[in-house]
Amino acid sequence: AQKITQTQPGMFVQEKEAVTLDCTYDTSDPSYGLFWYKQPSSGEMIFLIYQGSYDQQNATEGRYSLNFQKARKSANLVISASQLGDSAMYFCAMREPYNQGGKLIFGQGTELSVKP
Amino acid sequence: NAGVTQTPKFQVLKTGQSMTLQCAQDMNHNSMYWYRQDPGMGLRLIYYSASEGTTDKGEVPNGYNVSRLNKREFSLRLESAAPSQTSVYFCASPLSGSVAYNEQFFGPGTRLTVL
Repeated sequence: AQKITQTQPGMFVQEKEAVTLDCTYDTSDPSYGLFWYKQPSSGEMIFLIYQGSYDQQNATEGRYSLNFQKARKSANLVISASQLGDSAMYFCAMREPYNQGGKLIFGQGTELSVKP
Repeated sequence: NAGVTQTPKFQVLKTGQSMTLQCAQDMNHNSMYWYRQDPGMGLRLIYYSASEGTTDKGEVPNGYNVSRLNKREFSLRLESAAPSQTSVYFCASPLSGSVAYNEQFFGPGTRLTVL
């Protein structure tokens, strides 16, 4: 069965520093997608970044990058130059192949606090 | 959240009452999903619909029913609400086309309390 694991319940980072949020996954499907979402205290789910299982390069979106290590089954999120507004819950998720429904399976989340 | 709307945003029910959560997307997508989020946890799939006229159970379907009314709308019904169904409910739909194909948009959520 597919599974996503986020082992860091909470993280602290100093403003302007970089931080890495860990995510490992387990699947036997060769085709899958990996997502990171941000959930601020207001509650909405904000898409940050996507990595496909066949993508050769690590995904990047502005200050967000995904460190994809396929052999280790890890998909860590790196946030560079942290800002106070980055304080939020962060969820890693894996999407099943669309022929199996395309469902997202979520990790437990990591609460990031950015210190001024 | 582009294109996915949910109503209501907040609801308080008494045990045994029923209600329907509405979700609509204007992106002409085939797939729609209902998730629930309990405190301190990630989202868990309740039901999903891969296309108009089809629905399937997710991880936590007990106590819920769904209807895919048409391509736009996917509703979630609680027939007899229980305190264990106190949660935040999210509707989602993937975005199709070009680079954004793999983004799954979420509605703003419905915060439900069952007393």
